[in-house]
Amino acid sequence: DGGITQSPKYLFRKEGQNVTLSCEQNLNHDAMYWYRQDPGQGLRLIYYSQIVNDFQKGDIAEGYSVSREKKESFPLTVTSAQKNPTAFYLCASSIGGTSGMTASTDTQYFGPGTRLTVL
Amino acid sequence: SQQGEEDPQALSIQEGENATMNCSYKTSINNLQWYRQNSGRGLVHLILIRSNEREKHSGRLRVTLDTSKKSSSLLITASRAADTASYFCATPPPAGGGNKLTFGTGTQLKVEL
Repeated sequence: DGGITQSPKYLFRKEGQNVTLSCEQNLNHDAMYWYRQDPGQGLRLIYYSQIVNDFQKGDIAEGYSVSREKKESFPLTVTSAQKNPTAFYLCASSIGGTSGMTASTDTQYFGPGTRLTVL
Repeated sequence: SQQGEEDPQALSIQEGENATMNCSYKTSINNLQWYRQNSGRGLVHLILIRSNEREKHSGRLRVTLDTSKKSSSLLITASRAADTASYFCATPPPAGGGNKLTFGTGTQLKVEL
């Protein structure tokens, strides 16, 4: 089965702790993304990676960190510096590899999400 | 700020009725996508419409794009209870901006029996 997985589904964290959310895809996609979703606010881009060993900040990167050491994996760490980390986190991937000459028509494939709650 | 803004924020209809959702965006685009999200799940891609297309159909879905008004609409015909979900429009950055998308705030659709 090809797809994108996230784990765990639910995660509880004490204040002041770092926590890492897993995202794995076996779609052979170059690009991967992390979004945060709060009620009524849609999706906001945290970090994205267009190719292995490279990533860029999105709109709300403060308090988060990522790595992209393998093509299939894009873990997100929520650090203690993130002031309000309770949210639903979504990972996505797309074919990517745009030449940069034209605007992308990539469609994104999403994982099932991780709901993080800070106690 | 969000590139796409959906309208209405919430919509409640009876099964069998049509549902129309609108998306407005700010900058020039060469395509626009619509996604669906069931409660507590990931998003699923529905349809992509290019800037040189005015209308596109997929099953019970009809999408229009008006680049002069910077707006798009998603019509779901003969709605079913299973269509209950949130619907988001998404737009790419200008050429050279990579593959990332900017998602709107979404329309929550409830289809009642």
